[in-house]
Formats: sequence, structure tokens, C-alpha cells
Amino acid sequence: DAGVIQSPRHEVTEMGQEVTLRCKPISGHDYLFWYRQTMMRGLELLIYFNNNVPIDDSGMPEDRFSAKMPNASFSTLKIQPSEPRDSAVYFCASSLQITDTQYFGPGTRLTVL
Amino acid sequence: AQTVTQSQPEMSVQEAETVTLSCTYDTSESDYYLFWYKQPPSRQMILVIRQEAYKQQNATENRFSVNFQKAAKSFSLKISDSQLGDAAMYFCAYKVGTASKLTFGTGTRLQVTL
Repeated sequence: DAGVIQSPRHEVTEMGQEVTLRCKPISGHDYLFWYRQTMMRGLELLIYFNNNVPIDDSGMPEDRFSAKMPNASFSTLKIQPSEPRDSAVYFCASSLQITDTQYFGPGTRLTVL
Repeated sequence: AQTVTQSQPEMSVQEAETVTLSCTYDTSESDYYLFWYKQPPSRQMILVIRQEAYKQQNATENRFSVNFQKAAKSFSLKISDSQLGDAAMYFCAYKVGTASKLTFGTGTRLQVTL
């Protein structure tokens, strides 16, 4: 079975540009999570969806960050405009139920110059 | 607030030997889950093992086992017969049963030597 798929694996952009990260969860999983990993803050939850509906976005750092899930098999995390401090690894994860294990994608390493 | 503490930033083990990684957590919840994730240089977060707090029996997955001490709020990971492929960052994580967020420790970097 395919795991969580993320694209791109690496993204290098310049400050002020729009960045879109993509995620395809494991088929049948009702929950989708976006995490960010930095050296300073470790792994932190940004937002999560249940059945395509955003449930908790309290971890989204600023209004520059937005996430959507138009259908059960696709989600995006957008940063507009991007800043150097947004440089991090962004992970998408999915789970069958809220109590189940979260399975992570390979991550997207974002570098904002 | 729930916290997860991994007090060993780095550990080293010889191939075929056994190593134990420590994790403690702080919570007032009774329904929670504990996890160990492995992050190799490829940076993929891979589930190693999961423990439900209500289960007294320690979880085991092949060469990986945990020592879950609920009263002490301790959740250590034992890796037996260590292999070169076990070299990675290992993260301990905690989740309240009905909550969404995984709370991660700061990680332990494991080196495996010949």
C-alpha cells in the first residue's frame, strides 16, 4: 500500500514568493495533519483536518499560512508571502481515526532565501 | 501542559549489541498513547512502536521493545541485536486519546558502530 505522498521533496524559493506544498494521505484515512520541524522548535502541529474539514488551525503561525483539503485524497499548505524563517521540513501525516497512529510522509524541505 | 523529555541527545551502540533509549513524560490524563518514531537521514518519520496507556503489557515489535512504567511516567525503547540500519534520530511522542496533537521529545541520535 502506498504511504503518505508529499511533493515536492525539496523547495528553494526567494523571500516574498508563494510556496505550495502538497500531500496525498493514505487512502481511507479520515484525518490529515500538517507538521513543521525546525531545529529550534522541533516538531509542531500546524493544522489538522477531519473528513476534509479543518478542525484545529491553532498551530498555524501566521496569516501567511493557509491550508486546504478540497477532497479526501489531496491537501495543500500554502505560504504567501514566504520568509526566511519559514525554512523548515514540513510533514504531512494521516490516520484512520483520531485515536490511531499517525503515519508520516517523507516531508518537504523548504528553504526560503 | 504535556511534555516529553528525552535526556540523551546522543547514544552509541556496537552492532549486534543492545541499547536502551530513555523517555519520560508528564501528563494528568489517563487515556493516552505513546510512540517511538525513527527518523533516518532520509528524514522520513517511521513508526517504530506504539503503546496504549491502558495496556499493562509492554509492546514489542521484533527487535524493538518498550519498558512502560506508568507510575513513573517512563517509556524507554530497547533495541536488541542492533543493526547498521538502526542508526537514526529516535523521537518519543505522546498523544492524549481523543486529541489530535502528537507531542514530541527533542530526539536521541543513535549511532551504530562496527
